[in-house]
Amino acid sequence: SSELTQDPTVSVALGQAVRITCQGDSLRTYSASWYQQKPGQAPLLVISGQDNRPSGIPDRFSASSSGNTASLTITGAQAEDEADYYCHSRDSSAQSWVFGGGTKLTVL
Amino acid sequence: EVQLVESGGGLVQSGGSLRLSCAASGFTFSSFWMTWVRQAPGKGLEWVANIKEDGSEKYYVDSVEGRFTISRDNAENSLYLQMNSLRAEDTAVYYCATIVGATTEWGQGTLVTVSS
Repeated sequence: SSELTQDPTVSVALGQAVRITCQGDSLRTYSASWYQQKPGQAPLLVISGQDNRPSGIPDRFSASSSGNTASLTITGAQAEDEADYYCHSRDSSAQSWVFGGGTKLTVL
Repeated sequence: EVQLVESGGGLVQSGGSLRLSCAASGFTFSSFWMTWVRQAPGKGLEWVANIKEDGSEKYYVDSVEGRFTISRDNAENSLYLQMNSLRAEDTAVYYCATIVGATTEWGQGTLVTVSS
């Protein structure tokens, strides 16, 4: 089965931009979705594909992809953005889901 | 508004069984694939199983194949996960989820604790 790889930890200064990346072979075929998860809460979709942000998600969250790498960018990180972020796509077989291991974002 | 509400979690001994349920509302349940995802304490998200709209196709992560069974009742707008031969490593919060349009919807999860 496919795997998605994320950096375990990333930090950003308040108000600065930060990019979180996700690598995997399935991303060459399927687009990635990104979830934010805060302690004790269910995952929250922040963006899917290139620019599908659910209502209520600030436009400082954006996504991009190239080859086997998908990226989530937060432009002007806020304290409330401190959370775990997971990428997600279909497995190469298309019959299952695959998640990245998660990136813990710290806002300094 | 899409709502997914899981139930059925609890404490069970190793080797025991548990059946999780997920009550869906706010969308045409019978038109969408449904999924179970779990998260062990302090760990990341792990896909567990998928089921097609009409229940004719089911897929499982290798670690639960042969022990877990995903099913659905479209008349009751409900998703199920029958878990047998439970192991300590199955301890996790179990979420039901679905992709509706461009959005992935999640329940709040139900905690399953397997004691050894």
